Amino acid sequence: EDQVTQSPEALRLQEGESSSLNCSYTVSGLRGLFWYRQDPGKGPEFLFTLYSAGEEKEKERLKATLTKKESFLHITAPKPEDSATYLCAVQKAPGTASKLTFGTGTRLQVTL
Amino acid sequence: KAGVTQTPRYLIKTRGQQVTLSCSPISGHRSVSWYQQTPGQGLQFLFEYFSETQRNKGNFPGRFSGRQFSNSRSEMNVSTLELGDSALYLCASRADRDEKLFFGSGTQLSVL
Repeated sequence: EDQVTQSPEALRLQEGESSSLNCSYTVSGLRGLFWYRQDPGKGPEFLFTLYSAGEEKEKERLKATLTKKESFLHITAPKPEDSATYLCAVQKAPGTASKLTFGTGTRLQVTL
Repeated sequence: KAGVTQTPRYLIKTRGQQVTLSCSPISGHRSVSWYQQTPGQGLQFLFEYFSETQRNKGNFPGRFSGRQFSNSRSEMNVSTLELGDSALYLCASRADRDEKLFFGSGTQLSVL
């Protein structure tokens, strides 16, 4: 059975304090690994897709990396507006990108 | 361009009743998928519709059903509601050959 585990469940950082979020996955035939961000009262918002081990993608203060067993979301010098729940999800092959298996997320709080 | 619109935003029902939720995708998106989000289980895939046909289905009982209209708008129905159906129901649309899901803000369903 496909499984996605995210750690830690919650993380509190001070502004400027860099850290990493972890996503471990077990899936037969990975098609893609996705990162989404969810703000309270809103639906998830797409951040990145990674397709193969060794791939990296960056967006502002965020950098996502992928290995054969896990993915990391590195947050460099975070700001309070980075506070959100970060969700990791996998797409199994064959299958569409609409059918994702999600982890339960990491709640990030960035304080001044 | 308008985002994904879900109605209603909040809904309160009692056990045994049925409920219909509505989703209007982003213009031009033919794929619409539905997810259930609960604090314990996270996001779980319900089903995906593409051009009025169900393309994928998750592991939910038959009480959960959906449909898609010719204008790509979608509805999901839950019959014989149970307390455990209380959740945030999220709809997402996706453009052809694109991996990004665009989520609505969801319908918060409470079953009493």
